[in-house]
Amino acid sequence: EAGVAQSPRYKIIEKRQSVAFWCNPISGHATLYWYQQILGQGPKLLIQFQNNGVVDDSQLPKDRFSAERLKGVDSTLKIQPAKLEDSAVYLCASSLSGGAYGYNEQFFGPGTRLTVL
Amino acid sequence: DAKTTQPTSMDCAEGRAANLPCNHSTISGNEYVYWYRQIHSQGPQYIIHGLKNNETNEMASLIITEDRKSSTLILPHATLRDTAVYYCIVSNDYKLSFGAGTTVTVRA
Repeated sequence: EAGVAQSPRYKIIEKRQSVAFWCNPISGHATLYWYQQILGQGPKLLIQFQNNGVVDDSQLPKDRFSAERLKGVDSTLKIQPAKLEDSAVYLCASSLSGGAYGYNEQFFGPGTRLTVL
Repeated sequence: DAKTTQPTSMDCAEGRAANLPCNHSTISGNEYVYWYRQIHSQGPQYIIHGLKNNETNEMASLIITEDRKSSTLILPHATLRDTAVYYCIVSNDYKLSFGAGTTVTVRA
C-alpha cells in the first residue's frame, strides 16, 4: 500500500520569497492534515481538511500561509512571503475518518524540510 | 496546554524491554491514549492506542492504569531500529497535540 507522498523533500529559499509544498494522501483517506515541526519540538497542526473542506485552520498564519485541497485528493501548502522563523519540516498526514468515530490513526509522509535564509 | 507529561529521554539495552511512562492526570472519559514515534528524518508513525483496556499489537503493548491517569508503552524486545522520539497523546477527536516526547536511545 502506497503511503503519503510529499514533495519536494528539501527546499532552501531566501526570506520574502514564496514556496509551495505538495502532498498526495493515501488513496481513500478523506482527511488530510498539514503540520509544522520546528527543530526540537513536536509537530503542530496547521490545517485539517475533510474531503475538500477546511475543518480547522486556527493555527494557520493566514497572512502568509495558504492551503488548498482541490477535488478532495492532493493538497498544496504555500508560504508567501517566507520569514526566517518558517524554517521547519512541513509534514502532511492523512486518515480515513478524521476522528469521526472517536479514534483517529494518522499516517504521515516523510516531510519537506524548509530552510529560509 | 500539554495534556501529557513524559520524561525527556531514556536509554535502554538492545534486546531488553523498554518501558515508557506517560502521565495524563486530566484525561477525560472519552479521550483515547495514542502513542506515536518519530525516527530521525521521518514522519511520525502510529504505534498503538487505547481507551480503558490494555492493548497489544505487533509493535508494542499499552498498559493503562485503572484510573486512566497514566499509561506505559512497552517495547518488548528493543532493537537499534527502535531509537526514536516517542509521543504520548490524549485526544477524543481529530486533533493530535504533540508535545516534545521522550527521546529513546537503544544501545547495543
